[in-house]
Order: sequence, then structure tokens, then C-alpha cells
Amino acid sequence: DQQVKQNSPSLSVQEGRISILNCDYTNSMFDYFLWYKKYPAEGPTFLISISSIKDKNEDGRFTVFLNKSAKHLSLHIVPSQPGDSAVYFCAASAFGTYKYIFGTGTRLKVLA
Amino acid sequence: KAGVTQTPRYLIKTRGQQVTLSCSPISGHRSVSWYQQTPGQGLQFLFEYFSETQRNKGNFPGRFSGRQFSNSRSEMNVSTLELGDSALYLCASSFDKLSAANVLTFGAGSRLTVL
Repeated sequence: DQQVKQNSPSLSVQEGRISILNCDYTNSMFDYFLWYKKYPAEGPTFLISISSIKDKNEDGRFTVFLNKSAKHLSLHIVPSQPGDSAVYFCAASAFGTYKYIFGTGTRLKVLA
Repeated sequence: KAGVTQTPRYLIKTRGQQVTLSCSPISGHRSVSWYQQTPGQGLQFLFEYFSETQRNKGNFPGRFSGRQFSNSRSEMNVSTLELGDSALYLCASSFDKLSAANVLTFGAGSRLTVL
């Protein structure tokens, strides 16, 4: 049972435009969410987080939106740059479980 | 400060062998988690340790085991290797997993190939 889903395996966006990566979850007990970026042959790198008490968190070009009623979060990258080309993972955790559940990832390609 | 260090980075084993992977967390981080990444499966949670105690375990067979030492360094072991164990094994550390608001910092991973 995949509790965290990223239904788009890949996404291509023109440089300078907005990239929107989506993530859905099924467990209503999740209360903290993370986004990671991963380049080949490297470990995932933390991008941005959001707590369930918020619906938006912003950090530079990256904004994460959380819709608890829809159990949906999205990562917006504006403007997209070629260096953003990577695989993006969302992850969710419930307090006291001591683990994050990761989605299967979305490969973003930013075209110059 | 130094990041999460995983050794070895690459290794090749044959079916039936066993393997031990090592992880040194960021200094001061007491929680260590292990994940398996395979194509199309994302990152699958293996286990989490805090102060030498396993606090959670994923849905993997008993061939997968781990431990944490008093200096927070961790090892994971896979016995009786199968072809399907070929994967990137990632270790992540965090300061304290008692709170959900803890970011995982990952190492570069150990790429295991089973022939």
C-alpha cells in the first residue's frame, strides 16, 4: 500500500517557467512533509518542508502548498532553471512513528 | 561540518553472500535511518535507530538487519543475498526523531549489485 504517491513519473518544463510537482497521500495522521531533490550518484538533498498546521511555505524559488482536505501537496519552482533537472521526492511522517514515507519520485527536466 | 558518510560506495556480491554497510552520521545527530532505493520504487524505509535502539522497522525480511553503536555510527547487514537486493542503500541522520519536525540528511549511498 503506497501511502505517498507521485503520479507523474516525469515532467518537462522550459527554462524560466514554473515547475509544479504533485504529491498525494492517504494517511491522515501525517503531520510533516518534506521535499527532496536527487541527482544521479548522490544522496537526496533536502529542499523544503511544511507542517500540517500550515498551508504554504516559501523558500526562495521554492514554495510548497499543502491541502489537507484533499491530502495533496505540491512543490512550485519559479523560475525553473536547467540546474533544477533532477528527481524530486516528497516524503511524509506521522508524529511518533520515527520514519518518513517517500513517494516514487518525479523526474524534472528543465529545457534551456 | 562533515556530512553523512557511507562506506563502501560501490560493491558487487554474488547470490548467497552477505554484506555489511556502514554509516557515520553528522556529528551530534543521534538518529540514523536506512532506506533502499530501487528503480520505480522510490525510497523504501528499512529501519531507524536512536541511542542504539531500533524504534521502527520497515516491511523487509529478517535477512535485513542493523545496529547502532554508542557513537551513533550504524551498520546494516543483508544476509543470503538475492538478485532483488541490488539497490542503492541510503543512510540518513537527524538530530532527534522524537519530533516530526526533523529533516533527514542523507549520505551519498552504497550501490550494491548482486550477481
